[in-house]
Parts: sequence; structure tokens; C-alpha cells
Amino acid sequence: KNEVEQSPQNLTAQEGEFITINCSYSVGISALHWLQQHPGGGIVSLFMLSSGKKKHGRLIATINIQEKHSSLHITASHPRDSAVYICAVHSGGGADGLTFGKGTHLIIQP
Amino acid sequence: GAGVSQSPSNKVTEKGKDVELRCDPISGHTALYWYRQSLGQGLEFLIYFQGNSAPDKSGLPSDRFSAERTGGSVSTLTIQRTQQEDSAVYLCASRPGPANYGYTFGSGTRLTVV
Repeated sequence: KNEVEQSPQNLTAQEGEFITINCSYSVGISALHWLQQHPGGGIVSLFMLSSGKKKHGRLIATINIQEKHSSLHITASHPRDSAVYICAVHSGGGADGLTFGKGTHLIIQP
Repeated sequence: GAGVSQSPSNKVTEKGKDVELRCDPISGHTALYWYRQSLGQGLEFLIYFQGNSAPDKSGLPSDRFSAERTGGSVSTLTIQRTQQEDSAVYLCASRPGPANYGYTFGSGTRLTVV
């Protein structure tokens, strides 16, 4: 079974700062997801990656398949970015779908 | 529909009662998952449906939990004789099929057992 580790667990930053959240996994994967969960809210899929880099607005996600590592970056952070960010990997096979990290609780202070 | 719909969004129930949680996946998505997120914990897999195949129930924590998916569409997760440790957010996700890794999540049902 894949082990997914995220760091940091908690992060508090000032508005405007550049944010990096890291994710490492133990077994080769078919795809990696970055998810966002707001307090009391559901989960929104931000990115699905199998290689390289993706960008959407102020969010950038990268993945290094050889090193089994992915990062999520937020540029010019804003208080509305405050949420839990979850890394999840799909190792193939379909049966149990995604294996999730425990999440990074991000707070952006004005 | 446009997204994965779950109902109810919140449910408070007394210990010992049965509850039913509903998930309406995206039309045409053959794969459907139920996950549970307990307070302070990561998401854990409960059950997986793929088309008309027998579901993978390996994540269900006890025989009080069951799920069905009618007509390959709507799914219902049933918890019998609820216990306080069942309090959690129950999330449903669907994806187009086993070879497509693009998951869409519902907003979840927050279950509180008092």
C-alpha cells in the first residue's frame, strides 16, 4: 500500500507570501491529485498530475516521478486560500482508488 | 448532473438509530467511491463500485455499514445502529471509468451521532 506523507501539517503565513506544500509517496503511481477542502465544505480537485508541471491562476503543481515527490505552490497568497490541501495518489488497480495524505492546514493572515 | 450531489449535507442522529446517506454521481461515471473523514484524520476508503461488477467492500469498518448502487447510478450508504465513533464526514466521489483518474468529489455529509 502506498504511503503518502505531506509537509508541513500546519502552515500560517502572511498575505502575499509564496507558499509551498510538499507531498511524498512510497510506491509508483498512475496519477497524483491535489485537493482543496474549505472548513465545513466539500473537496475540490485542483490538479491531477502524472508528470511535469501544471499551472492554474496562482496555483502551480509539480511532480518528480523519479523522486516520488510533488509540490503545490501558491503565489501571492490571499486569505481566501486558507483551507486544507490534500495530496492523494492513485496507484492503479482501481479498487481502493486514492490514497490520501493527512492534509496541510493553511492559514493566510491579512 | 453537473457535479456529484450528496444528501443530506448534515445529519444529527441519536446513538442506535439507522441512517442513510445518498450520493448522486455525475451521469455516465461508472466508478463510485465512498470515503470517510473522521475528525483530525485523513480520508479513508470505504467502498468502491465499478459498473455492474460486485463492489469492493474491503474498507467498510464493520457489518453495520452497507452500501448499494442502483442501476449503476445513485448510491446509498447505510449505517445501522449508529455509534458515536461513526461521527465523521462521509464523502462520495465518482470518475468516468477505471482507466480515467479524474475524480469529482461531492460536498460530503457531516454525520454527528449524539
